[in-house]
Amino acid sequence: GENVEQHPSTLSVQEGDSAVIKCTYSDSASNYFPWYKQELGKGPQLIIDIRSNVGEKKDQRIAVTLNKTAKHFSLHITETQPEDSAVYFCAASQSNTGKLIFGQGTTLQVKP
Amino acid sequence: SAVISQKPSRDICQRGTSLTIQCQVDSQVTMMFWYRQQPGQSLTLIATANQGSEATYESGFVIDKFPISRPNLTFSTLTVSNMSPEDSSIYLCSVEDLGYYGYTFGSGTRLTVV
Repeated sequence: GENVEQHPSTLSVQEGDSAVIKCTYSDSASNYFPWYKQELGKGPQLIIDIRSNVGEKKDQRIAVTLNKTAKHFSLHITETQPEDSAVYFCAASQSNTGKLIFGQGTTLQVKP
Repeated sequence: SAVISQKPSRDICQRGTSLTIQCQVDSQVTMMFWYRQQPGQSLTLIATANQGSEATYESGFVIDKFPISRPNLTFSTLTVSNMSPEDSSIYLCSVEDLGYYGYTFGSGTRLTVV
């Protein structure tokens, strides 16, 4: 079955710097890759996603890149702000199954 | 996106008892999912619940422990049966949101078993 590895487990940056979180997946049949942000005491919130027919997607300060050959995808956050501090999860799935396989999570701390 | 309401938001239960968690969606959805998030850990899929059929359980999860109901296209329940402290986790409901072609999560039920 699918396996998703996520790195780093913790990431601390200064406000205004960029943050990059990387994930690798094992199942070449996976074609949908969402990223979720989870704040303390809340459920995961989808922040951006990408499908396998696209190599990059951007939404304001957030971007995701996908390398299907290498089976890895990355989240890029530019101009980080303290409110970006949270746990971020990547996931992979085959879109017709709906089953999301999550990475281990990255705790991002943005220092003011 | 779809709005999901989960009840209860948190509970403290005695070992050996059962708790039923409710998931209500503000729109009709075909696929509903139940996840478990153990303390400080990632999310693990428990089962997929489609209306009108038996839930499909992932490896390591069984119906006797986590019975699921899906009576209509907007509602589902997950029961955690015969609880032990190891069942202390956040239980999350998720739906396939055809409005934006992604998956939305509820805010979760924080369960502590003592």
